[in-house]
Amino acid sequence: AQKITQTQPGMFVQEKEAVTLDCTYDTSDPSYGLFWYKQPSSGEMIFLIYQGSYDQQNATEGRYSLNFQKARKSANLVISASQLGDSAMYFCAMREGRGTGGFKTIFGAGTRLFVKA
Amino acid sequence: NAGVMQNPRHLVRRRGQEARLRCSPMKGHSHVYWYRQLPEEGLKFMVYLQKENIIDESGMPKERFSAEFPKEGPSILRIQQVVRGDSAAYFCASSRLAGDYTGELFFGEGSRLTVL
Repeated sequence: AQKITQTQPGMFVQEKEAVTLDCTYDTSDPSYGLFWYKQPSSGEMIFLIYQGSYDQQNATEGRYSLNFQKARKSANLVISASQLGDSAMYFCAMREGRGTGGFKTIFGAGTRLFVKA
Repeated sequence: NAGVMQNPRHLVRRRGQEARLRCSPMKGHSHVYWYRQLPEEGLKFMVYLQKENIIDESGMPKERFSAEFPKEGPSILRIQQVVRGDSAAYFCASSRLAGDYTGELFFGEGSRLTVL
């Protein structure tokens, strides 16, 4: 069965510094996708970054990068040069492959990030 | 607005009433997902549908909850005889056909149900 674990309920980071949010996953499917979403206090879900299980390189999107360690089944999100607007909940998610089950996506419990001025 | 549309944004019901939440996926998307989020918690998968088919409903409570995605019109999440524990934000998301490379989910803004 799929499982996503985010062990950090809350994290603090100083503005302009980098922060790493942890995520580990468990799946027996060789084909899967990993996502990070941001949920600010306004409540909407914002897609940040995607990593495919067969991708050789770590995904990057602007200040976001995904540290993908396949053997360890971890997909940590790194936010560089933190900004006050980065304060939000961050969710790691996993989508298994393209079997008859389609694209079921499950989410971790989330990490709340606080950026200090 | 070509995004995922959910309505109502806020819904108040008394215990025992029915709640109907609607979701129109993004244009060109044929997969719809429903998630429930309790305060300060993550998103819990409820159900995954394609047009006229329920693909995976492993996260749906066995009683009172049902979902559909008809050939025409929005997807509906229906909660019968609501109880206070049903109070939550219900998010709908959509994605493209199964051939899509990432399977990225596009979320609506959520429907916040309050049961009095």
